[in-house]
Formats: sequence, C-alpha cells, structure tokens
Amino acid sequence: QKEVEQNSGPLSVPEGAIASLNCTYSDRVSQSFFWYRQYSGKSPELIMSIYSNGDKEDGRFTAQLNKASQYVSLLIRDSQPSDSATYLCAVNRDDKIIFGKGTRLHILP
Amino acid sequence: EAGVVQSPRYKIIEKKQPVAFWCNPISGHNTLYWYRQNLGQGPELLIRYENEEAVDDSQLPKDRFSAERLKGVDSTLKIQPAELGDSAVYLCASSTGTSGSEEQYFGPGTRLTVT
Repeated sequence: QKEVEQNSGPLSVPEGAIASLNCTYSDRVSQSFFWYRQYSGKSPELIMSIYSNGDKEDGRFTAQLNKASQYVSLLIRDSQPSDSATYLCAVNRDDKIIFGKGTRLHILP
Repeated sequence: EAGVVQSPRYKIIEKKQPVAFWCNPISGHNTLYWYRQNLGQGPELLIRYENEEAVDDSQLPKDRFSAERLKGVDSTLKIQPAELGDSAVYLCASSTGTSGSEEQYFGPGTRLTVT
C-alpha cells in the first residue's frame, strides 16, 4: 500500500459545483495533513492544514479529516475555472512530509 | 513578505556536467528543504536542514549529490556528474518549525533538463 494515495484524475466538475478530492494514508500515527494546489508549470502552494478530526473551513475550501478511517478530503465549493489545477495531499510520517501524486481537477466552464 | 527565492529557474546541461541550484528561504524560517519532483509525481524530499545542520539526508544520492547551508540561511544543491535521470524540477521549501512536519512554503523551483 502506498503511503499517500490519491486518484490521479482528471476529475471534471462543472463551474459552480462542489469539487471533492480524496486522499488515504497508511501510517496510523500521522498527525499533520496538508493540501497543496499546483498549477501546471508552477510550484506547490499551501491551501490548508488540518490536525484534528472533523472539518476545517477556509473560504470556499473545507478540509475533512477522519483518522480512524485514515482519510482526508478537500471540498471546493462554488468551483471556478481558476481552481483547475493538481491538488496534492501531504501527510507527515516521522519527521517528514510525504506527498501523494496529486489529483488533476478540471473545472468545466 | 518575500517568498522563497530560487535560481536559476531553468537549466539545460549535458550529461556528466555539474550543476548547482541556489535557494534563499523566507526570512526567519530556520528549516529548509530540498525536494525533487518528477513529472506526474509529488515532491520527494532530498534533504532537510535545521539552521546549518542537515538533519535528514537519507534520500540524498550522496555519490553525486551534495548540499550545503552556510550560516543557516542560503543553501545550494549540487549534482556532479549529472545523469539523464536527474531531469526533474528541484524545489526548495522552508518552514518555521523544526519537526519537519509543519507547513512548508515552496519556491518557484528549478527545472533541470539533462541531455
């Protein structure tokens, strides 16, 4: 089992709809979880961090964490064409962060 | 606040040649990371510095890669000699904490092409 797994996509979502991005991880003791957005040809940009079970909201973004199921997700409400990018899930293991391969999101105008 | 600065942004070299990348982290960030990102993959850690000390270099191919962070601020990553498989984007990141597991902020990266 890969340490951090994401569906590579592409995930196509109509403009204005909710985009749901999912990530599972293998290390039960992980405590820190991050979502990064990466536009084509650019570097990763931190969107959100989450450390406790439940939901964390920031503007149109909501991160959800379920440690029992080893699952973290990112919801994007009112999706915009500018949200089209690759979204990287990152999880800590020991003293480092392990990145997933990312999910490509395409918002359809 | 200025972000992480990297140079050069692009580099094309022939195999067996040396190459060096430079990084200046966000002011006040004591921890600096070098990552390599291949196409379609997430970033993979090469080395992590806390101030001047390399605290995790387990993923650094030490036969050809070297890094330094003099005075605990700027850092350079060197490859000598480069191989075709080294073609990738080399990302520098920094953070305020020292655990290696906190929020990290990335520079624009250096895209290396080895021919």
